[in-house]
Amino acid sequence: QVQLVQSGAEVKKPGASVKVSCKASGYTFTSYYMHWVRQAPGQGLEWMGIINPSGGSTSYAQKFQGRVTMTRDTSTSTVYMELSSLRSEDTAVYYCASGARPGWFDPWGQGTLVTVSS
Amino acid sequence: EIVMTQSPATLSVSPGERATLSCRASQSVSSNLAWYQQKPGQAPRLLIYGASTRATGIPARFSGSGSGTEFTLTISSLQSEDFAVYYCQQYNNWPPMTFGQGTKVEIK
Repeated sequence: QVQLVQSGAEVKKPGASVKVSCKASGYTFTSYYMHWVRQAPGQGLEWMGIINPSGGSTSYAQKFQGRVTMTRDTSTSTVYMELSSLRSEDTAVYYCASGARPGWFDPWGQGTLVTVSS
Repeated sequence: EIVMTQSPATLSVSPGERATLSCRASQSVSSNLAWYQQKPGQAPRLLIYGASTRATGIPARFSGSGSGTEFTLTISSLQSEDFAVYYCQQYNNWPPMTFGQGTKVEIK
């Protein structure tokens, strides 16, 4: 079955960068788009961007432009999300989620908690 | 950016009763709308896409309707496992794709 497994929790200092991975299995990696969505503690869901694993093209939410980079490694069926210049407001659970089309998200990874604290 | 507004914020329902959740878009999203369920400590799960198509494995008690700017998620007879937070999401105009703020369905 389609499965997305994310890397473990991270603790970072303000100003640092974090890189979260999401390894896909159970399907042809290049056939599904991958999104990144985050959720601050007790808050709702926020879409960050999308990567097409086939060609590597990306599209980011304006809010994260200049701070986020999404990449993929087709040899390991893994996508990465790197967020730089971290601040306390970036403390959240970061999810990867796939989709056959750049529309709805199914399935989701288990989430990665990123804590930004001095 | 399309703003999605869900109502109510919290819905108190007894098991076995019907629950009706609303989602409104600030401009038309056609039928490009999805619904998700999220339980504490878990990732969201897709329930509905295309405004009314149930995702694989989703029970028939979940149904979605609407188009344009007004959408509804109905749970016909609430089961204990349905108490959760529900989010709507538009994917008609992006970036960005946007979510509603969520409706919490709690036990009455």
